[in-house]
Amino acid sequence: DAGVTQSPTHLIKTRGQQVTLRCSPKSGHDTVSWYQQALGQGPQFIFQYYEEEERQRGNFPDRFSGHQFPNYSSELNVNALLLGDSALYLCASSSRWIAGNTQYFGPGTRLTVL
Amino acid sequence: KNEVEQSPQNLTAQEGEFITINCSYSVGISALHWLQQHPGGGIVSLFMLSSGKKKHGRLIATINIQEKHSSLHITASHPRDSAVYICAVSGSNFGNEKLTFGTGTRLTIIP
Repeated sequence: DAGVTQSPTHLIKTRGQQVTLRCSPKSGHDTVSWYQQALGQGPQFIFQYYEEEERQRGNFPDRFSGHQFPNYSSELNVNALLLGDSALYLCASSSRWIAGNTQYFGPGTRLTVL
Repeated sequence: KNEVEQSPQNLTAQEGEFITINCSYSVGISALHWLQQHPGGGIVSLFMLSSGKKKHGRLIATINIQEKHSSLHITASHPRDSAVYICAVSGSNFGNEKLTFGTGTRLTIIP
């Protein structure tokens, strides 16, 4: 079991560009959550997907969008990048049917916006 | 004021010392999580607890629901315990509930 995987590992973009980050959940998990972690801060919840739909959303602008595919993998898209979007983007997978089930985190994608 | 507060922000200790990291929260929760983050970013879940106490190896987590407070203890600390320890809360103990995180405690254990 490969666990949660994310790609790419690192990414450098310039202001105004668009970026797509990818996440493959742990085998057997149907739910993917995305978090943004700025330097020195705790992760902040962006949104969550299951059954290919956005189910919960944190306090992030519409420039942040996502998608979930039938195989449960997910993409996070950020449009019109700002310097403040520079952060570590974490994907976490879980099963919504299991009580006591913790979220498993991927290694993250470090995005730098210049 | 953040919904989840941790203290201390930074902690440096000698190898072998007993470590305590504290977490207070201001919202109603169903579960509290302790996670470990190493340099480079990967986050590992250590504990999820709704009441009482859990122990895994040298790590012990406790929660007091009435006082809205949790502690993570590390006994016989070792340099490999050096990491950022993060407290998070969720509104249910099902896996699809979003996590609200504290800012973390950076622990450094000196040999």
